[in-house]
Amino acid sequence: QVQLQQSGPGLVKPSQTLSLTCAISGDSVSSYSAAWNWIRQSPSRGLEWLGRTYYRSKWYYDYAVSVKSRITINPDTSNNQFSLQLNSVTPEDTAVYYCARVGCSGGTCALGLDYWGQGTLVTVSS
Amino acid sequence: EVVLTQSPGTLSLSPGERATLSCTASQSVSSSFLVWYQQKPGQAPRLVIYGASTRATGIPDRFSGSGSGTDFTLTISRLEPEDFAVYYCQQYGSSPWTFGQGTKVEIK
Repeated sequence: QVQLQQSGPGLVKPSQTLSLTCAISGDSVSSYSAAWNWIRQSPSRGLEWLGRTYYRSKWYYDYAVSVKSRITINPDTSNNQFSLQLNSVTPEDTAVYYCARVGCSGGTCALGLDYWGQGTLVTVSS
Repeated sequence: EVVLTQSPGTLSLSPGERATLSCTASQSVSSSFLVWYQQKPGQAPRLVIYGASTRATGIPDRFSGSGSGTDFTLTISRLEPEDFAVYYCQQYGSSPWTFGQGTKVEIK
């Protein structure tokens, strides 16, 4: 059974960097059968996909245009986890942040976001 | 960016009734990459349907999905008390992946 455990601060000051980690159990961050995502949810924006990383002989990254200049998703193979960094945050970045896995089969990731972390409410405020 | 519009915004029904939820895309979406999620308060979304019509693991057969192109539907044949929640469609055939704004299924 795959489990995703999120960790990180719930309060970040404006202009600083939001950092969250998602620890994976029951799967591998380097798996060819998965891609690893960050999604956020707020009343004003709804559910918003932020980006993903996956390994297919090398690491690939894909980011939403809305945050592309500020976001980094990093895999950590040593600890079987991946992280989110969002720079220069503003109050508009206040949201519940989720990590999630998309399942892949036969080279196609078409199995949906099948496992989610528990969510972390991040508030951007001084 | 593919915009997904869900209707209605709220569906007020009684247990045992049939729920029909709609998701309309601003451009054609591959059925392989259209999914539905259920979300209850304080919880992460839960995958219900992937590939437009395949039930995820553990999802009862009262849930069904259909559609193609720009029009997709989630149907709950007979609502059980645990089905009252918010449902979201999502596409991930093209980047950025996008979600609909949700349909709340509430008890009448």
